[in-house]
Amino acid sequence: EAGVAQSPRYKIIEKRQSVAFWCNPISGHATLYWYQQILGQGPKLLIQFQNNGVVDDSQLPKDRFSAERLKGVDSTLKIQPAKLEDSAVYLCASSLVPRQNEQYFGPGTRLTVT
Amino acid sequence: LAKTTQPISMDSYEGQEVNITCSHNNIATNDYITWYQQFPSQGPRFIIQGYKTKVTNEVASLFIPADRKSSTLSLPRVSLSDTAVYYCLVGDENYGGSQGNLIFGKGTKLSVKP
Repeated sequence: EAGVAQSPRYKIIEKRQSVAFWCNPISGHATLYWYQQILGQGPKLLIQFQNNGVVDDSQLPKDRFSAERLKGVDSTLKIQPAKLEDSAVYLCASSLVPRQNEQYFGPGTRLTVT
Repeated sequence: LAKTTQPISMDSYEGQEVNITCSHNNIATNDYITWYQQFPSQGPRFIIQGYKTKVTNEVASLFIPADRKSSTLSLPRVSLSDTAVYYCLVGDENYGGSQGNLIFGKGTKLSVKP
């Protein structure tokens, strides 16, 4: 069974530029999550989708972050414009419903904002 | 919203049993306890989940006392490859949104020495 795929693996941009990350969850997993993990900290949930609907985006900085999950499969997370403090690893995870505590994570995208 | 407390770090030697305890005094009736493992440059990996008493799988055991205000992850006979950060989470198995119960703390950094 293929795992959660993410791309790119690394990205370096200047502040005020925009960037997009892509995630393909495990086939059949209805729930998809985006996390931000700053160095030395645990992952922080940004947004959770169930199929193509948003379940929880309470910690998503909506003035600069956006995410979509068209057709309930792949998802894209965008940052526009980026700030220095956005430097982090962005992790995508997916899970079955209702076993939402058992999540499968992708390798992440390491973003560096200079 | 349950909050967890874990030791920041632990040291062990190869072949020893390691027990990592997590406190979750405000755990709710519907909350499950889940543990994840994270290696550097990788996303977290699900280890084990339980509700009460004891759960065992091929890699770990999870002990939960009757009051469920704490839990202990037990790793038998650790090896160098078990060096990682371990996260304890509590949350509703059927979490359907709002309040963000999927919260990773800073975790416990386990270092296994030869």
